[in-house]
Amino acid sequence: AQSVTQLGSHVSVSEGALVLLRCNYSSSVPPYLFWYVQYPNQGLQLLLKYTTGATLVKGINGFEAEFKKSETSFHLTKPSAHMSDAAEYFCAVSESRGNTPLVFGKGTRLSVIA
Amino acid sequence: GAGVSQSPSNKVTEKGKDVELRCDPISGHTALYWYRQSLGQGLEFLIYFQGNSAPDKSGLPSDRFSAERTGGSVSTLTIQRTQQEDSAVYLCASRDGFNYGYTFGSGTRLTVV
Repeated sequence: AQSVTQLGSHVSVSEGALVLLRCNYSSSVPPYLFWYVQYPNQGLQLLLKYTTGATLVKGINGFEAEFKKSETSFHLTKPSAHMSDAAEYFCAVSESRGNTPLVFGKGTRLSVIA
Repeated sequence: GAGVSQSPSNKVTEKGKDVELRCDPISGHTALYWYRQSLGQGLEFLIYFQGNSAPDKSGLPSDRFSAERTGGSVSTLTIQRTQQEDSAVYLCASRDGFNYGYTFGSGTRLTVV
């Protein structure tokens, strides 16, 4: 069985500061990993994904994440936070075969302070 | 269509009534998923359709929940005899056979009173 743990249900950063949202996963097979963002009253939007190849993945809106197999982590970062980054962020994992549904973490709410 | 469409966007129903939630996936997407999002609980997988295969119903919380997908396209999630604990946002997602990222709809917010 797969699982995802997001450390910190709420993270608050100042505008212009580094954003770091933590995600650790558990999977018995090589994982595919995802980060999604959800703005209020909207569905989830894919930020970035890791399937194979380069372990540093760049996504939309200046976000990136690094797959570290030895640490079973897939932390999301952005060098400089904008007010528009305030949202709920979800990390998710699936089996690399792609036939199993995504398993999501409980989410981290990011607040950006002016 | 251009995106995943869900209807209604909001539904208020009385306890004990049945409700139907609709999902219209992106044309050509073979896989369709239903998730439930409750406050502070993240996304809970409900059911998964892949092409013409039998659906994966392993996430349905009780036999009051069912879903079907007609013609490999539109899906309907039905909740019978609704309870207050069914109140949540129900999200639908679809993906094609090659892209492992899901495209989500905006969800249906269900409130059982």
